[in-house]
Amino acid sequence: GAVVSQHPSRVICKSGTSVKIECRSLDFQATTMFWYRQFPKQSLMLMATSNEGSKATYEQGVEKDKFLINHASLTLSTLTVTSAHPEDSSFYICSARLLARLNNEQFFGPGTRLTVL
Amino acid sequence: AQSVAQPEDQVNVAEGNPLTVKCTYSVSGNPYLFWYVQYPNRGLQFLLKYITGDNLVKGSYGFEAEFNKSQTSFHLKKPSALVSDSALYFCAVRDLMNTGFQKLVFGTGTRLLVSP
Repeated sequence: GAVVSQHPSRVICKSGTSVKIECRSLDFQATTMFWYRQFPKQSLMLMATSNEGSKATYEQGVEKDKFLINHASLTLSTLTVTSAHPEDSSFYICSARLLARLNNEQFFGPGTRLTVL
Repeated sequence: AQSVAQPEDQVNVAEGNPLTVKCTYSVSGNPYLFWYVQYPNRGLQFLLKYITGDNLVKGSYGFEAEFNKSQTSFHLKKPSALVSDSALYFCAVRDLMNTGFQKLVFGTGTRLLVSP
């Protein structure tokens, strides 16, 4: 149980286009989902916390208008990278927190590798 | 703010030997500590966590971690390493945001390389 999927796993796009990444909790409800960004050989950096039915909370330095997050249901959150540029190329990972677990355990998706040409 | 430090970028160990991946923490209050493993181009997989109770925590794939309050450490250990254990390991600590929500703060990661 507690499986999180991401789609797509890889995406290549042209500079200036927008890309949407989906994060789904497959067998549980997640009131909170998290979006991370990971550069090569670096740690995960939290970008934003997404709560179902409310606006996402962004970390300092993350542009809200560039990284649009929508948490439409208890099983789906989307991250849209708008007007993508080469510097947005990265590995994006989402995680979901299980509704019934009170000890902050997060389940991570397999990640999406974004390459902006 | 809570933080964790992983002082080693890489740890090399021969298969069959014991391994240790180090992590130290800095927290206010009781620490909630985690270890995750990441294989290439994959998301993170949960290994184990310390919330309270026994200082020795047992987790997945034969890994364990020892919580040491006096040394503020939470080192990951395994008695006998496997080549398949080669991966990137992250230590993490729970942090409370101003909004009251919780988040995980990750260390910089340690690459474990187990040689045959």
